[in-house]
Order: sequence, then structure tokens, then C-alpha cells
Amino acid sequence: DTGVSQDPRHKITKRGQNVTFRCDPISEHNRLYWYRQTLGQGPEFLTYFQNEAQLEKSRLLSDRFSAERPKGSFSTLEIQRTEQGDSAMYLCASSPPSIRETQYFGPGTRLLVL
Amino acid sequence: AQRVTQPEKLLSVFKGAPVELKCNYSYSGSPELFWYVQYSRQRLQLLLRHISRESIKGFTADLNKGETSFHLKKPFAQEEDSAMYYCALSETNRDDKIIFGKGTRLHILP
Repeated sequence: DTGVSQDPRHKITKRGQNVTFRCDPISEHNRLYWYRQTLGQGPEFLTYFQNEAQLEKSRLLSDRFSAERPKGSFSTLEIQRTEQGDSAMYLCASSPPSIRETQYFGPGTRLLVL
Repeated sequence: AQRVTQPEKLLSVFKGAPVELKCNYSYSGSPELFWYVQYSRQRLQLLLRHISRESIKGFTADLNKGETSFHLKKPFAQEEDSAMYYCALSETNRDDKIIFGKGTRLHILP
């Protein structure tokens, strides 16, 4: 499967713990996006990378959230001191370099904070 | 502020009947509009975008700037159309965020 992959697919953690998710984009896609989706809602934009540069961050991305893409390939999203409100599906997407290219989504990581 | 509204959470339609999923948007400029679909146990995928003006799986959507709408239509529903449909927009010539509506679950009745 050459699509966007995410790991883990499911994560259960206790409140206060830190969690880290990984996203591997389609190779040669230089743009990478993170979204969060809660029950009954559409995906909400969190942040966007072009190569290794983080170009935009949503206000949804509190200080407890940090995302990196150190070599312009895979990306990680870390949530520190998790709260029950962080429970959601975290989606990653990637797109090729050209303007107006389609974003291709990964399967998501479902986080449950107890 | 940019916003996408899908007024129906659930739409049930008999097989062979016409389908229309409603979408209205709020944006001061000229956005790019999309419909994304998520079939059961599959990832979110692009169904169509208004700049392509193409018909995918029998679905079409016309951008009506006067009514700020981008309704998704299909003349004859098929059982395999059952899925979650999201209307979405992005700013013209930008490649960052996509703003999604809350989605409409389409249920095709046999």
C-alpha cells in the first residue's frame, strides 16, 4: 500500500500521559497536514508542513500539542499531559508540490483518553 | 469567517431515487469547493472538486455563487453510495487547510 500511513491506529492512554503519533506521507509529497475529528464533526485543521517547515498552526493546537517533520518526510504529532477532551481521531494527509493538488488522507489514529 | 454548513446529518433515500446532499458555504472570496466521501471502514477520499467539473460515480455538484451553495446530486442512487459525505472548501490558490462541514450520512434503502 503506497498511501499515507499512520501509526498507531489506536491509542488508549490515561489523563496526564504524553502520546506521540506518526504519519508517513506518500513519497514525494512535500506537503503534510494534520487534522482532528471528534464524534459528529468533520475534520478540523490543526497544522500544515511544506517540506520540514511548519507553515500554519490552528488555534486548536494548544501549547500541549507539538508537531514536527524533521527531514521533510514523516511527521510526528505529540500531545503532552493529555486531557479527556483530546479524545478524537487524528488524521494525517499529504499532497504533491503543485498548487491545487488533492490531499490524500491516512486511516487516522484514534485516541481515547481515560 | 469561513464556514461550511451541511444541514442534514442523515439522509435516507431509496435505491434508484435521486439524491441531493446540501452544502452551503460562507466565504468572502472565491473558494475552491470539494466533496469528500468516507465509505465504511475506508479512509476519507476526494469525490469531486468544482474546478474539475467532472462527474464521479454518477455524482455532480454545481457551484452556485449567488446562493453560496455546492449541492451534490446523483439521479439514481445505488446501494454502494451509502457513506459519509463531507462538503469542504479551501481558499483559492492556497494549499494549507481545508475546512470541512460536519458531514451527511447517506443511507440507501433497498
